[in-house]
Amino acid sequence: DTAVSQTPKYLVTQMGNDKSIKCEQNLGHDTMYWYKQDSKKFLKIMFSYNNKELIINETVPNRFSPKSPDKAHLNLHINSLELGDSAVYFCASSQANTGRGYTFGSGTRLTVV
Amino acid sequence: AQSVTQPDIHITVSEGASLELRCNYSYGATPYLFWYVQSPGQGLQLLLKYFSGDTLVQGIKGFEAEFKRSQSSFNLRKPSVHWSDAAEYFCAGDGYNNNDMRFGAGTRLTVKP
Repeated sequence: DTAVSQTPKYLVTQMGNDKSIKCEQNLGHDTMYWYKQDSKKFLKIMFSYNNKELIINETVPNRFSPKSPDKAHLNLHINSLELGDSAVYFCASSQANTGRGYTFGSGTRLTVV
Repeated sequence: AQSVTQPDIHITVSEGASLELRCNYSYGATPYLFWYVQSPGQGLQLLLKYFSGDTLVQGIKGFEAEFKRSQSSFNLRKPSVHWSDAAEYFCAGDGYNNNDMRFGAGTRLTVKP
């Protein structure tokens, strides 16, 4: 069983569209995250959710919004997509404050045309 | 500000040669420290982690890392590199109670036959 699963794996869409990426973890972790990896491979944290509360929000445009229906899911909604949103988006999960590290999904490659 | 730095963007080694990838951290207190590997088109896989205790940490795939507080470093090593080790390597730090893992910019490893 996949520990952290993201769908879709690839997403090609036009500028101005609204899209969502889904993430589910079956590890029983209490915290989930979204990271953006740009074309230079740099990984930047976007959001994290702990017990359905947003605890980190970097300087991310408000077109991006995380939605967590329950502890096992953290979906990413993106409105009015722009060319610069093209990147690979990774979902991750962890058990907070244990130092065990994060478990990452396999990523969603978003291409905005 | 909390940060992790990987000074080397790209390293090339011959198969069978030894490897050392550098990582420096800047945190108020010693963070949790991690090394992840990312193969092309894949997600991130945890190689090893350190929080306290023995400063030489063993990981998967024959990798090890040494924590040096005096140098604020956590360098990754492998005695003999295999062609399958070619990938992107990321060092990361997570301050205790922060749930905010910060990644270095990554080091791309190329293995020559």
